[in-house]
Amino acid sequence: AQTVTQSQPEMSVQEAETVTLSCTYDTSESDYYLFWYKQPPSRQMILVIRQEAYKQQNATENRFSVNFQKAAKSFSLKISDSQLGDAAMYFCAARTSYDKVIFGPGTSLSVIP
Amino acid sequence: SQTIHQWPATLVQPVGSPLSLECTVEGTSNPNLYWYRQAAGRGLQLLFYSVGIGQISSEVPQNLSASRPQDRQFILSSKKLLLSDSGFYLCAWRTGVVNTEAFFGQGTRLTVV
Repeated sequence: AQTVTQSQPEMSVQEAETVTLSCTYDTSESDYYLFWYKQPPSRQMILVIRQEAYKQQNATENRFSVNFQKAAKSFSLKISDSQLGDAAMYFCAARTSYDKVIFGPGTSLSVIP
Repeated sequence: SQTIHQWPATLVQPVGSPLSLECTVEGTSNPNLYWYRQAAGRGLQLLFYSVGIGQISSEVPQNLSASRPQDRQFILSSKKLLLSDSGFYLCAWRTGVVNTEAFFGQGTRLTVV
């Protein structure tokens, strides 16, 4: 079965500092895709970053980057120069060739001014 | 451009009443469609997904059902609501193209009283 785990229910970071959110996943597929979504208080789901499993290079989107460790099935999100607007729930998600998109339980990120 | 419409935004229903939540997608054809439920402070639980008209995969045995009467329409239903059906319901879509993320509707907040 495909599962996604986020072991940090809550995290906090000082404004302008860096924070890393953890995610591990389990799938028997060899071809899959990984995502980080952000859910602000409006509850709109917003894609932050994506990673294709066949790519060894870690994805980067401005202040957001991932550390993809395929053998360890780990997919962490690093947020650099944290801003107040980064405060939200962050969800890790995985999609396999069967087109199911499974989400982790989420990490609530607070940004301290 | 593609858009997704989900309604109603908020719904209060008595226990034992029926439910019908509708989701439609515009600007794309043959999308994969998903229904998720998010309990308060929790992650997204995949309820149903569909890769085509009349093709529904159920992930969690429960009091709900889904139907896809048209290519871009996805309906979540219940004959008799339970208190435990309360939550935030999200509809999402993605195309069959490799490496595209799921796009989400605005969600429906359902309270069963």
